[in-house]
Amino acid sequence: QSALTQPASVSGSPGQSITISCTGTSSDVGSYNLVSWYQQHPGKAPKLMIYEVSKRPSGVSNRFSGSKSGNTASLTISGLQAEDEADYYCCSYAGSIVVFGGGTKLTVL
Amino acid sequence: QVQLVQSGAEVKKPGASVKVSCKASGYTFTSYGISWVRQAPGQGLEWMGWISAYNGNTNYAQKLQGRVTMTTDTSTSTAYMELRSLRSDDTAVYYCARDLSGLLPDYWGQGTLVTVSS
Repeated sequence: QSALTQPASVSGSPGQSITISCTGTSSDVGSYNLVSWYQQHPGKAPKLMIYEVSKRPSGVSNRFSGSKSGNTASLTISGLQAEDEADYYCCSYAGSIVVFGGGTKLTVL
Repeated sequence: QVQLVQSGAEVKKPGASVKVSCKASGYTFTSYGISWVRQAPGQGLEWMGWISAYNGNTNYAQKLQGRVTMTTDTSTSTAYMELRSLRSDDTAVYYCARDLSGLLPDYWGQGTLVTVSS
């Protein structure tokens, strides 16, 4: 099972919005509404930001939102803040296994 | 609050085995499972597998089948991941994460660095 495809890096200025894409196949992203997104700061454990495509866990800012179309899921961060600078990973159920994206480094300029 | 506390860093020689522990608190241990995910230096996340803390059912990543064993001790709310026949490319930070059904790791441990070097 191949990893999901994410851009290696994205950047944006404070206050702007950015979107990170996550492209899979009809065997994972396209078949299940079980896409999640994780934020990871350097040296820290991943933190769940979005689950089931577009749901936010309690305590996660509503500046984070998720969506899906076909085999591609997306994470949008609005009103960028300095503390959003981190690596972001998408994750999808793929029928008895879980696959992660390669990760996207978000730089806040 | 949900907490997962993992055992400390390990240094192992090629061919050896390592066993990482993950002690859970703040929730009913047997109501969830535990996923294990690893991250090689400078690399992305790799799902290793999942174990049900309710009945011990496991689901391992195909590439690790035969080398990995996940277990739980419900008396101490602790999960374990053992990896055998270690190679240099097993060098990574190993994370445990609470996961209801093997679909969604939510709360993560702090990670355990395993270094494989001769």
